[in-house]
Parts: sequence; C-alpha cells; structure tokens
Amino acid sequence: DVKVTQSSRYLVKRTGEKVFLECVQDMDHENMFWYRQDPGLGLRLIYFSYDVKMKEKGDIPEGYSVSREKKERFSLILESASTNQTSMYLCASSNEPGVGRLGEQFFGPGTRLTVL
Amino acid sequence: QKEVEQNSGPLSVPEGAIASLNCTYSDRVSQSFFWYRQYSGKSPELIMSIYSNGDKEDGRFTAQLNKASQYVSLLIRDSQPSDSATYLCAVNKISGSGSARQLTFGSGTQLTVLP
Repeated sequence: DVKVTQSSRYLVKRTGEKVFLECVQDMDHENMFWYRQDPGLGLRLIYFSYDVKMKEKGDIPEGYSVSREKKERFSLILESASTNQTSMYLCASSNEPGVGRLGEQFFGPGTRLTVL
Repeated sequence: QKEVEQNSGPLSVPEGAIASLNCTYSDRVSQSFFWYRQYSGKSPELIMSIYSNGDKEDGRFTAQLNKASQYVSLLIRDSQPSDSATYLCAVNKISGSGSARQLTFGSGTQLTVLP
C-alpha cells in the first residue's frame, strides 16, 4: 500500500513564525503535492513538484515556499505565518501519468495548523 | 462554469438503498477520473478510478463515465451508515505542456446514510 506520512497531525504557531511542514512517501512517486482545505473552499493546490528540485506553483502559492531535496520528501514552508494560513494542510503523491498509469493521488493524514 | 461540479448535497439515503453521486466536468480532453471519500476531520481516500466510457465495479461501488456528456457518477449499493462521508470527484487537468499530473477537485457531496 502507498504510504504518505506528514510530520505533525496538529500544530500551533504564532504569527510571524517560520513553519515547516514535512511530507514523506514510500512509493517512489515522481509527483508530490501540497494542498490546503478550508470549509466552503474545497481543496486548493499550493505547490507541486514533479522531480527533485523541481517545483511549480499551484493556485494559491502566495505566502508559501517548498523544497524537494530528495525524491521521497516534500516540504512546505510558511516564511512568516499569518492567521489566514490557519487551515488543514494535505500532502499527496502520485505516479507520473502514462501508459497504464492514471496518476492517482494518495493523501497523507493531514496537518491541522492553527496560527495565533 | 466550474471545472468540476458536484451537487453539494447534503444527500440522505436510508440504509440498504442505492446512493447516486454525480459529477460533471468542463474540459473535454480530460482522460482520468477519480472518486475520493473523506470522513470528517480525515484526509481524502481514493475509492475508484475510471478512464474508459461505461461502468467499472468494485464491490458495492460502481463508477460510470460518459465522456460525450462529460459526466461521471458513483453508485453505492446497499448503503451503510459507515458510508456517511463527503465524496470528492476529481478529474485530471491537462496543463499547457501536456502534462496530466494535476487533478481538479469538485467541492464534494456530503452523503448521510440513515440507519
């Protein structure tokens, strides 16, 4: 089974702090994604990565950065946390779509971040 | 028009009934379609994938795809209270480079199965 793990289930930080969220997958997937999920707004893509050191902006990258130094690990960084970044953060990974591969995304358990 | 549209619900069905969840998408070039189940406070869990027109069955779940009508549905037979969750439809998004890595998610349909 695909396993995606996230470093914390719950996190409380103060405004202005630098926050690191870590995600690790064990299926040798090429692609990794960071989403946030808020009531009424659904899943929104922040950033994704299709290879080590490669990244692309999603729909809402402002206030976030990412790092992918190893294939299995993808980090989301909040440079200076703000209260409007209080949310559920979800990491996902997938194979690269191709012949016989649909590119299904598998999600980690999520990190519920509260910024005070 | 939203890229992926689902009836937000909530949808309530009695235990043992068939629950029918619907999804329409706007991008005709989309090739792969997915259904995720999300329990309250948990992360989405993949339950079905489909890419060919027609039906695909897996246990009590059947996914139906009609590319001409740009419509994908999920049927849950013999619904159980444990099926009560939000169901997310997702469609692969073709980028300008031709990559299909990204998924576009619908806003979800909340299903309640009444005992």
